[in-house]
Amino acid sequence: GENVEQHPSTLSVQEGDSAVIKCTYSDSASNYFPWYKQELGKGPQLIIDIRSNVGEKKDQRIAVTLNKTAKHFSLHITETQPEDSAVYFCAGRHNQGGKLIFGQGTELSVKP
Amino acid sequence: EPEVTQTPSHQVTQMGQEVILRCVPISNHLYFYWYRQILGQKVEFLVSFYNNEISEKSEIFDDQFSVERPDGSNFTLKIRSTKLEDSAMYFCASTRQMNTEAFFGQGTRLTVV
Repeated sequence: GENVEQHPSTLSVQEGDSAVIKCTYSDSASNYFPWYKQELGKGPQLIIDIRSNVGEKKDQRIAVTLNKTAKHFSLHITETQPEDSAVYFCAGRHNQGGKLIFGQGTELSVKP
Repeated sequence: EPEVTQTPSHQVTQMGQEVILRCVPISNHLYFYWYRQILGQKVEFLVSFYNNEISEKSEIFDDQFSVERPDGSNFTLKIRSTKLEDSAMYFCASTRQMNTEAFFGQGTRLTVV
C-alpha cells in the first residue's frame, strides 16, 4: 500500500541554523505533498505544500523541494527560531485526491 | 480565519461504552475526514465522507465505528463499544474539494479506561 517514510525522528539545532527534514513516498501516483506543524496538544497546522508539477516552493523561511524521479521531498527551515520547535509531519496524497498518508513525524528542537 | 472545531477536547470513557466525537468543519468545505493519532505515533487515516456517504475507509474503521453528518454543520464519529486500544487523539479535517488543502481541528483526546 501507499507509504510515506520520514527522517530523522528527532532533530536538534541551534537557533539561527537551518533544519532539513526528508520524506520518501512509495506511490508514484501521489501528486500532492503537504507539511504540517504540530505543537503540543494541538492539531496539525498546514505550513507549506507542493504539487508534483513544481520542483520547489518557498514561503519566507520555509521551503519544500520535490524530486519526483526519486520520490523524495524535503522541508527546509532557515534561520530557525525557538518557536519553530514542534513536531513536523510530511504527507502524501494520491492524484485522485482524498486521504493523506502521513510520515512518522520529526520532533524539531531549536535551542536558543 | 475559518477553522475546524472539535468537541470535547478530552473524553474519558469506560471500556465498552459508546462515545461520540463531534466536529464542525469549515463551512464551505465539502469533504470531511477523521484521523487518529496514538500517542507518539503517526497520524492515521480513518474515513472520508462526501455527499452524505463514506467515500473511503481504512482497515482501522471497522464495524465499531460510524460517521454521520446529522445536520448542515456537524460531522460526528461514533465508537459503539470502546476498547482500550481506541485511546488516541482523534482529528477531524475538511477540504473544499477532494484535491485542495486539508485543515485539521485541534483534536479530541479519547482515553478508554
